[in-house]
Amino acid sequence: AQSVAQPEDQVNVAEGNPLTVKCTYSVSGNPYLFWYVQYPNRGLQFLLKYITGDNLVKGSYGFEAEFNKSQTSFHLKKPSALVSDSALYFCAVRDAGNMLTFGGGTRLMVKP
Amino acid sequence: EAEVAQSPRYKITEKSQAVAFWCDPISGHATLYWYRQILGQGPELLVQFQDESVVDDSQLPKDRFSAERLKGVDSTLKIQPAELGDSAMYLCASSFNRGTGELFFGEGSRLTVL
Repeated sequence: AQSVAQPEDQVNVAEGNPLTVKCTYSVSGNPYLFWYVQYPNRGLQFLLKYITGDNLVKGSYGFEAEFNKSQTSFHLKKPSALVSDSALYFCAVRDAGNMLTFGGGTRLMVKP
Repeated sequence: EAEVAQSPRYKITEKSQAVAFWCDPISGHATLYWYRQILGQGPELLVQFQDESVVDDSQLPKDRFSAERLKGVDSTLKIQPAELGDSAMYLCASSFNRGTGELFFGEGSRLTVL
């Protein structure tokens, strides 16, 4: 069975500093990996995905993620955090059966 | 920009009552999903449709939950009777197909069972 782990419940970072939100996965076959963001009482918004190709994927709002096959990781990154980036972030993996499984989420707090 | 529509946004009900949620996916999206998200946790898949057919409902509590997508477009998720533990956000999502594309989510329906 596939699974996603987000080891940090919360990440705190100062505005202007780089941020990283960690994600590791387990899936049989080739992984299809996604990051979503959720603001309070809202649905999930798609940020970026990795299907194949370049290990560094660029997405919305200046976010990017690095796929590392040997470490089975797909960490979300941004060079310079904004206060408005504060939200709940979910990593997800999709298997060959096309079921999307989410991690438990990481709350990102960006302090001014 | 096309969106997934859900209603109601908020629902408060007493336990043992029936409740229903509606979802209208993005036009042309053949695959529709219902997820349940308990506060502070990641979404969990309840049921997945391909057109009007159920592809996966292994995590749907079938003794009280039912879902349908009769014409392969909009969908209804029903709970009867509601229990206290059903309090959660119910998210609908759609995708163009069952391949590698991303899911597009609606704003969700927050259920509170008293």
